[in-house]
Amino acid sequence: AQSVTQLDSQVPVFEEAPVELRCNYSSSVSVYLFWYVQYPNQGLQLLLKYLSGSTLVKGINGFEAEFNKSQTSFHLRKPSVHISDTAEYFCAAIKITSGTYKYIFGTGTRLKVLA
Amino acid sequence: IAGITQAPTSQILAAGRRMTLRCTQDMRHNAMYWYRQDLGLGLRLIHYSNTAGTTGKGEVPDGYSVSRANTDDFPLTLASAVPSQTSVYFCASSREGLTDTQYFGPGTRLTVL
Repeated sequence: AQSVTQLDSQVPVFEEAPVELRCNYSSSVSVYLFWYVQYPNQGLQLLLKYLSGSTLVKGINGFEAEFNKSQTSFHLRKPSVHISDTAEYFCAAIKITSGTYKYIFGTGTRLKVLA
Repeated sequence: IAGITQAPTSQILAAGRRMTLRCTQDMRHNAMYWYRQDLGLGLRLIHYSNTAGTTGKGEVPDGYSVSRANTDDFPLTLASAVPSQTSVYFCASSREGLTDTQYFGPGTRLTVL
């Protein structure tokens, strides 16, 4: 089973509208969760991360995510998107296997903000 | 400017050839990583190094090798390239372990014919 699942491969949304990008994780990964953004032809950049504490995590560029243990989710939200938010977004988690720690990424969600 | 550099930016390679992708960071980070990014599969970890002198295998290590002779450099070698290794390769580093923020290089686009 996929450790980190991003069900939406593409999400189109109009400028200034709210957006939610979904991420679910499996029990095989730890609850160290991350969201990264990749702008065209660039490497990934951290948006936010959840390690412990408050379940609502605020990140850069107005994004936030909520850790929901009962639903094993870590959805990313922004109340009002801009054209410049057009990018690919990756959810990631740390997987612990036999005492080793590894990063597992979801397959990504392409956010397309329309004028 | 501090960060991660990767070279080359892109490369077309004949199958069977040997290729080394270079990665250098100047942030004095202990941990470094190599990922490949393929459409529909996201990023997959190839190899990692928690500190200079040590390396470990990720999800998809077959056909690749790495070395970490010093803190700054983490080259990835394809001993005998195959077409399935056509991908975009990203190097990343973090200060200590995986809970620290990973900083990514700009990537190397490799095509194996």
